[in-house]
Amino acid sequence: NAGVIQTPRHKVTGKGQEATLWCEPISGHSAVFWYRQTIVQGLEFLTYFRNQAPIDDSGMPKERFSAQMPNQSHSTLKIQSTQPQDSAVYLCASSPLGGPNTGQLYFGEGSKLTVL
Amino acid sequence: GQQVQQSPASLVLQEGENAELQCNFSTSLNSMQWFYQRPGGSLVSLFYNPSGTKHSGRLTSTTVIKERRSSLHISSSQTTDSGTYLCALGYTGYQNFYFGKGTSLTVIP
Repeated sequence: NAGVIQTPRHKVTGKGQEATLWCEPISGHSAVFWYRQTIVQGLEFLTYFRNQAPIDDSGMPKERFSAQMPNQSHSTLKIQSTQPQDSAVYLCASSPLGGPNTGQLYFGEGSKLTVL
Repeated sequence: GQQVQQSPASLVLQEGENAELQCNFSTSLNSMQWFYQRPGGSLVSLFYNPSGTKHSGRLTSTTVIKERRSSLHISSSQTTDSGTYLCALGYTGYQNFYFGKGTSLTVIP
């Protein structure tokens, strides 16, 4: 079991450029979550998929941020026209919806985005 | 929204001392998890404990749903225990998980 895989681990972009972050959940997990973490704001929820369908995107900034889950093996978080305030560690987590580990969250290592 | 309060916000211990971290929540839950995070690191799951008491080495987690609280006890603290401890709650229907703001623990030799 490889765990949740996030790529890239580090990304540096210039202001105004686009950044795409990838997440591969643990095989068999039906729920995928995206969070953003900064020193100032702490851990912030962004969006949540269940069985690939978007369930809750209440934490996503309405402009410039979008997330997709085109198949059960990966999800992407895209930030258009990046701004310095988007600099953060973006964390992906998955969770099974059945079986002995249901209700548990498993996090990836995170993708550190730096916008210059 | 759901309220998750962690206390204390920060804690400094001398190596060998014990620590008690608290997580209080506003409504009943069906999922409770404690995480550890080293600066710059990811979240490592310590316990999945929606009710009762669980032990792992020097760590003990106790969740009392009726009292809407969960605690994490660290005995004989070590410098390597330094970091941030977060609790996360989940609710029926597998909606979002709700995180506390964390307890920052520093253990000095």
